[in-house]
Amino acid sequence: GDSVTQMEGPVTLSEEAFLTINCTYTATGYPSLFWYVQYPGEGLQLLLKATKADDKGSNKGFEATYRKETTSFHLEKGSVQVSDSAVYFCALLNYGGSQGNLIFGKGTKLSVKP
Amino acid sequence: EAGVAQSPRYKIIEKRQSVAFWCNPISGHATLYWYQQILGQGPKLLIQFQNNGVVDDSQLPKDRFSAERLKGVDSTLKIQPAKLEDSAVYLCASSFVGQGQETQYFGPGTRLLVL
Repeated sequence: GDSVTQMEGPVTLSEEAFLTINCTYTATGYPSLFWYVQYPGEGLQLLLKATKADDKGSNKGFEATYRKETTSFHLEKGSVQVSDSAVYFCALLNYGGSQGNLIFGKGTKLSVKP
Repeated sequence: EAGVAQSPRYKIIEKRQSVAFWCNPISGHATLYWYQQILGQGPKLLIQFQNNGVVDDSQLPKDRFSAERLKGVDSTLKIQPAKLEDSAVYLCASSFVGQGQETQYFGPGTRLLVL
C-alpha cells in the first residue's frame, strides 16, 4: 500500500542554519504531496503542497519540490528561526490507492536553538 | 473564518470506561475525518464522512469505536470500552469537496489517556 518515509529526528539546529528534512514516498498513480507542521500544543497546519511532478510548494520560507523520478518531497529552508521549532509531517493523498485520505510519515521534530 | 473545533481538549479515563469526542468542522465543509495519532507516529485515518454518509471506515476498530455525523455537520467519535492502547490524540479534520479534498484543515485534537 501507499506509504511515506521521512527522516527520523529529532533535528537540532542553530538559528539561521539551513534545514533539510528528507521525505520519500511509495504510491501508485500520481499522488498529491504535503508538508504539515504541528507546533507544541496545537493541531496540524498545512505548510505547503504540490499536486504534480516538478511542482514546487512554498510557504513561510519553506520549499519542497515534487520529484517523481526519485519519489521524494524534501523540505528545505535556508535560514531557520527559533519559531520554526515544531514537528513536521510529510503526507500524500492518493485518490486511487487510499480513497482520498492522507497517509502520513512518522514526523520529524525540529528544535532550533538561539 | 472559524477553524475546526474539538472538545474536550484532554480526557483521562480508566480502561473499560467509555468516552466521547466532539468535532465541529469548518462551515460549508462536506467532508469530515477522524484521525488517531499515537505518540511518536503520524496520524492514521479512522473514518471519513461525506456529509452524513461514511466513505471509509476500513481502519476503525468497530468492536469498540463508533462515529456518527447525523446532520452532516458536527460529529461524535465514541470508544466503548477503552483499552490502554487507545491512549492517543484524536484529530478531527474537514475539507471542502470543491477543492478535490486536497486540503484538510485540522482541529487542535483531543488528548486521551487511558489508565
